[in-house]
Amino acid sequence: GQSLEQPSEVTAVEGAIVQINCTYQTSGFYGLSWYQQHDGGAPTFLSYNALDGLEETGRFSSFLSRSDSYGYLLLQELQMKDSASYFCALDGSARQLTFGSGTQLTVLP
Amino acid sequence: GAVVSQHPSRVICKSGTSVKIECRSLDFQATTMFWYRQFPKQSLMLMATSNEGSKATYEQGVEKDKFLINHASLTLSTLTVTSAHPEDSSFYICSAPRGISYNEQFFGPGTRLTVL
Repeated sequence: GQSLEQPSEVTAVEGAIVQINCTYQTSGFYGLSWYQQHDGGAPTFLSYNALDGLEETGRFSSFLSRSDSYGYLLLQELQMKDSASYFCALDGSARQLTFGSGTQLTVLP
Repeated sequence: GAVVSQHPSRVICKSGTSVKIECRSLDFQATTMFWYRQFPKQSLMLMATSNEGSKATYEQGVEKDKFLINHASLTLSTLTVTSAHPEDSSFYICSAPRGISYNEQFFGPGTRLTVL
């Protein structure tokens, strides 16, 4: 099967940079996705890595290293509205997503 | 961007009754949709893959006779929780990829099911 591990909680202050790590075990996957979810809401797509390296989308960047079974999400210029849960997810052959346990990010003023 | 809707957003039912949840892709066709369940403070767990025109594929441990999935058209998938029990109370979310060239999946707003 597949499994992903993330830190359960991260706290940072407004304007700071935070990195959320994700390690995984899988026999194969197409890509690593990152989703944001506010309490009671739907997950929203942030970033996707099909290949090794860094993908940048505005304040968010994501990195993947297949050889290390590791990825991370980097959030820059943190804002209060970034307080949410962040999930890494493996994209399988049939486009099904296997989610990590989630990281609760708290941004302090 | 693409939109996926779910109905109802909240439902409260008595134990033993059945509840139907609809998932619609509003501006794109989805041959495949996915159903997830999320308990409070936990991750999303894939329950099943809904395929238009064929039977759904269920994940290990998910009872197919309890969670009936019908993908009636290219824009609609339904999940029916049959003979619901309090332990079925959860947040049910559907998602759909817009196409093979898109990495992003679009999630519905979710349905909060409470079984009394």
